[in-house]
Amino acid sequence: EADIYQTPRYLVIGTGKKITLECSQTMGHDKMYWYQQDPGMELHLIHYSYGVNSTEKGDLSSESTVSRIRTEHFPLTLESARPSHTSQYLCASSDLLLAGGTDTQYFGPGTRLTVL
Amino acid sequence: AQSVSQHNHHVILSEAASLELGCNYSYGGTVNLFWYVQYPGQHLQLLLKYFSGDPLVKGIKGFEAEFIKSKFSFNLRKPSVQWSDTAEYFCAVTPNQGGKLIFGQGTELSVKP
Repeated sequence: EADIYQTPRYLVIGTGKKITLECSQTMGHDKMYWYQQDPGMELHLIHYSYGVNSTEKGDLSSESTVSRIRTEHFPLTLESARPSHTSQYLCASSDLLLAGGTDTQYFGPGTRLTVL
Repeated sequence: AQSVSQHNHHVILSEAASLELGCNYSYGGTVNLFWYVQYPGQHLQLLLKYFSGDPLVKGIKGFEAEFIKSKFSFNLRKPSVQWSDTAEYFCAVTPNQGGKLIFGQGTELSVKP
């Protein structure tokens, strides 16, 4: 099973602040993902990456941005946080089918963000 | 567009009761199917998955799921639930050849001791 790390686990900040949510995985997975999840609701894909220097927007529109400079690292940034960004953000990774993997996604513990 | 539907939003059971959580998907091609579980305060964990072969798959903690292709279903079952099974359960689907993982809306299971 993949080891996925997210920091911080909890974050409370004021409106207008710039924040970066960190996500790292140690399994060498090529694919990484960011999901947004509100309490009791389904997960919505907001960003994904198939490898270094590859980033794509997901199904749910998000004002956040991501980067993938290293295989193991996939940070998410909000330039100016707003109360509407309050949510839980989940990071996941998976290996490539083409590389003999199973494309099974493994999730990190999440970051619960509250914007006041 | 692909979609996943979980029939029950909230299920309440007593310990030792049998569990079946419904999951239906809409996609015309071959799919990979997953059940994830999220215990209170914990991260999303893989419960079981189906890629091919025997349509009855067994997962961790005594859970199993049956893939019925003709019904586009992948229902989760457990013969006898425990209080520790209280959690949110998510069904998810991805095309067999790779692609985005589509989640259902989740089913909250509460088990009374």
